Amino acid sequence: SAVISQKPSRDICQRGTSLTIQCQVDSQVTMMFWYRQQPGQSLTLIATANQGSEATYESGFVIDKFPISRPNLTFSTLTVSNMSPEDSSIYLCSVEDEQGWTEAFFGQGTRLTVV
Amino acid sequence: GESVGLHLPTLSVQEGDNSIINCAYSNSASDYFIWYKQESGKGPQFIIDIRSNMDKRQGQRVTVLLNKTVKHLSLQIAATQPGDSAVYFCAENVYGKLIFGQGTELSVKP
Repeated sequence: SAVISQKPSRDICQRGTSLTIQCQVDSQVTMMFWYRQQPGQSLTLIATANQGSEATYESGFVIDKFPISRPNLTFSTLTVSNMSPEDSSIYLCSVEDEQGWTEAFFGQGTRLTVV
Repeated sequence: GESVGLHLPTLSVQEGDNSIINCAYSNSASDYFIWYKQESGKGPQFIIDIRSNMDKRQGQRVTVLLNKTVKHLSLQIAATQPGDSAVYFCAENVYGKLIFGQGTELSVKP
């Protein structure tokens, strides 16, 4: 299994500012995923980040709001831009296993509060 | 659109009893299903999975049942323990992407 570290674990931010969340994996993986989990709700996929290409965004999420970087096979960042209180959520990074399958391993998440 | 949903948002059981958490899915293209456990302040943790060509799979104290006819998935936890208290999510793999259900909060009473 992969070990995933996210930074920061939590933050409180002013509206209108941006926050970049880091995701570090202890092994090389092809696919990395970013999810949002709003308070008391389930997980929603934001985008898939592939090394060497632009991220693929799901319906309702756009690159200007959630720019993603994937500079190598062990690291990715998600930026939440021009934040509003509606962006208050837990943001989670996940990866597929090293066999490229389907089981996803998750980081502990970043709890973001926008005031 | 396609969705995965849970029948019960909360479930309270006595320690030692068996727990059953249900999930309905609607995407007929799903070929793989996973149950996750999420404890407070943590990311989801893999519990057990099942492929669409199976109808039952057992793990340690957990069993997943898949009924493709009615598009229903369930997680059975035997001899539920206080450490099982968490939110449980089902997820389906659709063309390489995970779609999560609503979640059920399991509370175990000592």
